[in-house]
Amino acid sequence: EVQLVESGGGLVQSGGSLRLSCTASGFTFSGYWMTWVRQAPGMGLEWVATMKQDGSEEYYVGSVKGRFTISRDNAKNSLYLQMNSLRVEDTAMYYCARKGGASDIWGQGTMVTVSS
Amino acid sequence: EIVLTQSPVTLSLSPGERATLSCRASQSVSSYLAWYQQKPGQAPRLLIYDTSNRATGIPARFSGSGSGTDFTLTISSLEPEDFAVYYCQQRSNWPCTFGQGTKLEIK
Repeated sequence: EVQLVESGGGLVQSGGSLRLSCTASGFTFSGYWMTWVRQAPGMGLEWVATMKQDGSEEYYVGSVKGRFTISRDNAKNSLYLQMNSLRVEDTAMYYCARKGGASDIWGQGTMVTVSS
Repeated sequence: EIVLTQSPVTLSLSPGERATLSCRASQSVSSYLAWYQQKPGQAPRLLIYDTSNRATGIPARFSGSGSGTDFTLTISSLEPEDFAVYYCQQRSNWPCTFGQGTKLEIK
């Protein structure tokens, strides 16, 4: 079964850090661009970051540039999002998704809550 | 950054009716426009990619059209399970962006 499973979310204070993980199974992870998308409570979807198959290209939404870092380990079929200097407005469900746009496979998400 | 504006914000229809959802881009996205459906408590599901291609397993009642800056998602005859929030997304330019969503509710 093709699947993405996120982990690493939780409650953190403003200014703190978290590292999210996404483990893929059922497909050739190294063959796909991978993406993080977030959704604040009651709000719409926001694309966060995307990384190319070999890690040679990465793109970020402006609001997280310099604070978040996307990375991947193809040997472990895993995608990561290192989140530093977290702000209250980063509170959201974070989804891992396959492909850079037109994402066809999504995980169920991991919740990140940033308190003031 | 390309801004996607969806209309209407809320659409109230009955099962069996036709739904037409709009997505307008602030500049051309060529044909690189996708549509997603999201139900409460669930992850989004890809419906349409590259304007008019149905994703795997998506029923034929869902269709997409348009080009450049104006795009439409049509649901030909609404089923009870179609009532949800719909988002468009462009992948023409970085950063990828989503529209703000259209809520399709039962009238």
